[in-house]
Amino acid sequence: AQKVTQAQTEISVVEKEDVTLDCVYETRDTTYYLFWYKQPPSGELVFLIRRNSFDEQNEISGRYSWNFQKSTSSFNFTITASQVVDSAVYFCALSEAGHGGSQGNLIFGKGTKLSVKP
Amino acid sequence: DGGITQSPKYLFRKEGQNVTLSCEQNLNHDAMYWYRQDPGQGLRLIYYSQIVNDFQKGDIAEGYSVSREKKESFPLTVTSAQKNPTAFYLCASSFLGQPLSSGNTIYFGEGSWLTVV
Repeated sequence: AQKVTQAQTEISVVEKEDVTLDCVYETRDTTYYLFWYKQPPSGELVFLIRRNSFDEQNEISGRYSWNFQKSTSSFNFTITASQVVDSAVYFCALSEAGHGGSQGNLIFGKGTKLSVKP
Repeated sequence: DGGITQSPKYLFRKEGQNVTLSCEQNLNHDAMYWYRQDPGQGLRLIYYSQIVNDFQKGDIAEGYSVSREKKESFPLTVTSAQKNPTAFYLCASSFLGQPLSSGNTIYFGEGSWLTVV
């Protein structure tokens, strides 16, 4: 069965601290996709990154970095030197290629609420 | 600007009423989706559509209906059969058929808050 677990419900840090958001997934497929989305208070989900199961390279984008490890079924997200504007709920999601190719059957974790205090 | 537009942002429903949430996209995406979000929960898929005049049930389709008469539009009707409709509803869209190495990302609208009064 597919499942995404974000064990951290809420995290609070002070500005400029580094913070890592954990994501652990379960799937039986060998081909799958992993996503991170940011949901600010306005409600819209903002796409951050998409990873396919064959690409285990870690990625860095500015202050954001992602660590994908198939051996532990984890796809963790680190924000370096956090800022107040990073305050949001962050969702990790899984999509399996077998779902009609639509990639719309995203399985979401319950999200981690990050609060960055000045 | 290209994007996904949902309306209304806030909607109140009386008991026994049907209400319709609008979703329009000008991204030329093939697929469109509706998700429901409850407080402290992740998103759950209600319905999705890959082509015009075709749609599929998601995980929680009971009490909802959709139509896809145009590629750009995918309205969601919350019927009186939905016993607990108060939630945040998100519409999304994506291309289909992309090769594995390219992005086939799902993009979301700004959401609609539905409250039963």
